[in-house]
Amino acid sequence: NAGVTQTPKFRVLKTGQSMTLLCAQDMNHEYMYWYRQDPGMGLRLIHYSVGEGTTAKGEVPDGYNVSRLKKQNFLLGLESAAPSQTSVYFCASSRLAGNTGELFFGEGSRLTVL
Amino acid sequence: ELKVEQNPLFLSMQEGKNYTIYCNYSTTSDRLYWYRQDPGKSLESLFVLLSNGAVKQEGRLMASLDTKARLSTLHITAAVHDLSATYFCAALTYTSGTYKYIFGTGTRLKVLA
Repeated sequence: NAGVTQTPKFRVLKTGQSMTLLCAQDMNHEYMYWYRQDPGMGLRLIHYSVGEGTTAKGEVPDGYNVSRLKKQNFLLGLESAAPSQTSVYFCASSRLAGNTGELFFGEGSRLTVL
Repeated sequence: ELKVEQNPLFLSMQEGKNYTIYCNYSTTSDRLYWYRQDPGKSLESLFVLLSNGAVKQEGRLMASLDTKARLSTLHITAAVHDLSATYFCAALTYTSGTYKYIFGTGTRLKVLA
């Protein structure tokens, strides 16, 4: 019963480097979300997806790109990392149609940009 | 655009006391969720409130939803140290044919022995 799995869990980057965070869910959920969590600011939505092949911008999309080539996977990319992107990133998924819409979260990925 | 506000942001309380965390949201939302987060951990679902007047209880925690007032509350009864954590509410919004969950800033609760 894996649920939502994020990799990697920790990463340190230098300014200007690129990386991809992977989120995988095994619950056949349509909706997937990427949030970032910063002290005192709660969770802010970066990008989200309502199904395979679709993505949309959230509250703070700048500097990030996403892709959802397979229903179970949602990738978050940083093309040129900046110190302002130091944060904890959470992926979450849900099923809404005929369901409570409860969000299930991954364990988080802690990213430090030097 | 939906905004979600929680108060207080910080709450330090004695064991055995009661308190309420408030979650206000700015536009129509029919579903409200409460989550708990322990330091360095992920978010754990506590309650799902699906309709006006919904009330859910689990142990010393009780959550309620008033969609007309755009208000949800999380009431803590006779607090114990194990309840120390950060609590988030999230409201569900439906715009442009898609659903998004908007979170409050969280309430950091510390229960003192």
